[in-house]
Amino acid sequence: GQNIDQPTEMTATEGAIVQINCTYQTSGFNGLFWYQQHAGEAPTFLSYNVLDGLEEKGRFSSFLSRSKGYSYLLLKELQMKDSASYLCAVRYDYKLSFGAGTTVTVRA
Amino acid sequence: GAGVSQSPRYKVAKRGQDVALRCDPISGHVSLFWYQQALGQGPEFLTYFQNEAQLDKSGLPSDRFFAERPEGSVSTLKIQRTQQEDSAVYLCASSYQAGGFTDTQYFGPGTRLTVL
Repeated sequence: GQNIDQPTEMTATEGAIVQINCTYQTSGFNGLFWYQQHAGEAPTFLSYNVLDGLEEKGRFSSFLSRSKGYSYLLLKELQMKDSASYLCAVRYDYKLSFGAGTTVTVRA
Repeated sequence: GAGVSQSPRYKVAKRGQDVALRCDPISGHVSLFWYQQALGQGPEFLTYFQNEAQLDKSGLPSDRFFAERPEGSVSTLKIQRTQQEDSAVYLCASSYQAGGFTDTQYFGPGTRLTVL
């Protein structure tokens, strides 16, 4: 499989901002997705980037640099319900290759 | 409309038993994917259908794994002679069309398989 790297765990305080980084191999790249997954539930789609730059969607933003093989997901105004695993997924052709996920814990 | 549904949600099998996992994709979605997710890991690709055609089965771990989608909608993943290493969550995802510029895969809740 492809090497998709993201941190294992992050902790932040309610109301704060957290940035989750993701690096990947650039060969065959065809789009980058971020999914949120609560324990025991389906991954739910958060954002999609295929061109360089920042995509903003409410409290969530995602950035992509194709030349660097780098993306980040920015979570602003953190809420307790944001405690979840965040999966970075790169599409190569039609298949998604996922990172292992970053578990974000939001503390009061 | 309804999302992707999967059944059963939980399945416990004795080693050596055969199991069948069902996926109902979003209506009208052409593409269907199966993924395997081990505890603490991201999903790993198993197989891909475009309508009823299985175009890629490169991720299936062994010939004990078999998937079908005979009428281009519902899909079944079958695992024969289950082994303990098959224990995982099996996720199904569907998309309107594979490889489209903004095509997004939508996931079902998964089937958690435990092999004793």
